[in-house]
Amino acid sequence: GNSVTQMEGPVTLSEEAFLTINCTYTATGYPSLFWYVQYPGEGLQLLLKATKADDKGSNKGFEATYRKETTSFHLEKGSVQVSDSAVYFCALSGVSGSRLTFGEGTQLTVNP
Amino acid sequence: DTGVSQNPRHKITKRGQNVTFRCDPISEHNRLYWYRQTLGQGPEFLTYFQNEAQLEKSRLLSDRFSAERPKGSFSTLEIQRTEQGDSAMYLCASSWWQSNEQFFGPGTRLTVL
Repeated sequence: GNSVTQMEGPVTLSEEAFLTINCTYTATGYPSLFWYVQYPGEGLQLLLKATKADDKGSNKGFEATYRKETTSFHLEKGSVQVSDSAVYFCALSGVSGSRLTFGEGTQLTVNP
Repeated sequence: DTGVSQNPRHKITKRGQNVTFRCDPISEHNRLYWYRQTLGQGPEFLTYFQNEAQLEKSRLLSDRFSAERPKGSFSTLEIQRTEQGDSAMYLCASSWWQSNEQFFGPGTRLTVL
């Protein structure tokens, strides 16, 4: 079956530091890949997505590239802000409209 | 902004009681999903509907759980004879059938005492 593995957290950074959160997946076929973010007290929000190999998703300064050869979709941001403190989830879907399979989530805390 | 809404936001119940949650999806979305999220974990898929048809159910959805979407609009998730292990956040999401983007509601947090 499909599965997603995220780097263990929590991650604590200082403001303006570089962020990488690793995500690898196991799936049959060609899944779509997503990063969702959950701010304290709020629901899951889609941060970015990529639907085929070598696609780069980007939003709000965050980027992730769909790497089929390494089955990875690592999340990066060049300069984090305090407001980026949240839980980040990597997820995949097998075919359009199907269930999402999530990783365990990575708690990010950014200190001023 | 008419996003996905869920009610109630919090529910505390005693073991053995029945509970029902409601989800109202984004109006033009015809797919609706239920997930469960326990503390420190990612959401786990429970079931999903296309219009009023329930197309897939997870093995997590025991016979104490039932979900309906009678008119293809809002959905309800009922848990009968609740157990302490049912304590979790129950998330609803919706999407357009041709899209792989799911939009999530704020969730209903269930605590079973």
